[in-house]
Amino acid sequence: NAGVMQNPRHLVRRRGQEARLRCSPMKGHSHVYWYRQLPEEGLKFMVYLQKENIIDESGMPKERFSAEFPKEGPSILRIQQVVRGDSAAYFCASSETGAPYEQYFGPGTRLTVT
Amino acid sequence: GENVEQHPSTLSVQEGDSAVIKCTYSDSASNYFPWYKQELGKRPQLIIDIRSNVGEKKDQRIAVTLNKTAKHFSLHITETQPEDSAVYFCAAPDLSGYALNFGKGTSLLVTP
Repeated sequence: NAGVMQNPRHLVRRRGQEARLRCSPMKGHSHVYWYRQLPEEGLKFMVYLQKENIIDESGMPKERFSAEFPKEGPSILRIQQVVRGDSAAYFCASSETGAPYEQYFGPGTRLTVT
Repeated sequence: GENVEQHPSTLSVQEGDSAVIKCTYSDSASNYFPWYKQELGKRPQLIIDIRSNVGEKKDQRIAVTLNKTAKHFSLHITETQPEDSAVYFCAAPDLSGYALNFGKGTSLLVTP
């Protein structure tokens, strides 16, 4: 049973470019959460999605950031016009239910903005 | 949102000793408390969790205790081994009930 998959694992972007991060949940999981981790800090919630729906995006900056989880394919976190402050590790997690129970994390995408 | 405080930020123990990490939370309605282990450059791994209807849960060398009255929960690792060295995060549900709010982490070092 494959775990949560994320790609790419490392992404380098110049300021002003776009970053696209992908997440495939565990088999049987239809709930996806995105978290951001700054160096030597804890994880901060960004957005929670179910298939085709954004349920809670209260942790996601209003500008430049967007997320989707289409009916087919992985969940996508998109960051437009990246700035140096966007450099971080972005983790997605998935769960079988819609509550916070038993969230399993992917390996993360480490975004570096130069 | 839910405020989760974690202590200590760093902990160094000798192999074979016990390690205890404590977290406090603010929302008395919280009912789920997981602990994650993160090795350097790796994903956070769920190692144990507890729901509010029990006061203690144990899995081999790892245990979690919950005090709902005082709103704190603790991770206990007994007979520590060097491979236990990692950053440990506690978490509690966000007020929305969907996401997790994480503590800032405890860097545990187990020296041989």
